Amino acid sequence: DSGVTQTPKHLITATGQRVTLRCSPRSGDLSVYWYQQSLDQGLQFLIQYYNGEERAKGNILERFSAQQFPDLHSELNLSSLELGDSALYFCASSVVSLTADTQYFGPGTRLTVL
Amino acid sequence: AQSVSQHNHHVILSEAASLELGCNYSYGGTVNLFWYVQYPGQHLQLLLKYFSGDPLVKGIKGFEAEFIKSKFSFNLRKPSVQWSDTAEYFCAVVNDYKLSFGAGTTVTVRA
Repeated sequence: DSGVTQTPKHLITATGQRVTLRCSPRSGDLSVYWYQQSLDQGLQFLIQYYNGEERAKGNILERFSAQQFPDLHSELNLSSLELGDSALYFCASSVVSLTADTQYFGPGTRLTVL
Repeated sequence: AQSVSQHNHHVILSEAASLELGCNYSYGGTVNLFWYVQYPGQHLQLLLKYFSGDPLVKGIKGFEAEFIKSKFSFNLRKPSVQWSDTAEYFCAVVNDYKLSFGAGTTVTVRA
């Protein structure tokens, strides 16, 4: 158990819908990262938040957005869903940054878009 | 384009055999390098990391990796694998605050 929690574990929805994935970082970690893992794209970095502020952006679609709340939990919002958005979405956390700390991953949310 | 390449998609070997997984990256400048492992049904875990100093890095579970700057490589090794090393292994590189992963190598260890 890494200490990073994600809900829900599984999510099945239809094209065009909107979903919200939730992540709670390890106690004391200020940075939260979101990743997408799919068969065709592999593991892709989406976005990082540090203490409530966006820190770095990767291959995140405009239909996706994220935020980190004052209690440091984070949500990833996926809208106008397409079949290709079906993937495993991981959240990770670290104390401050990738270059200073170990990153701990959550168990992931498996999203299936039908 | 900047990228992380893992040479082997799937490696099958017997217990006690030696393992070496290749990883090359194309970023210039300072990089931080990682190997992660994902056991079946589990989340990603850090095996080892290189930030600076001794280019031979020791990680958990008997794994080690060598950073060769001139070859832009960070290969993972284990002298003697066990059945429990069956997993998917990902090389990753931090550049410009972003972590980029290789495609992963599935390692199957036969008892």
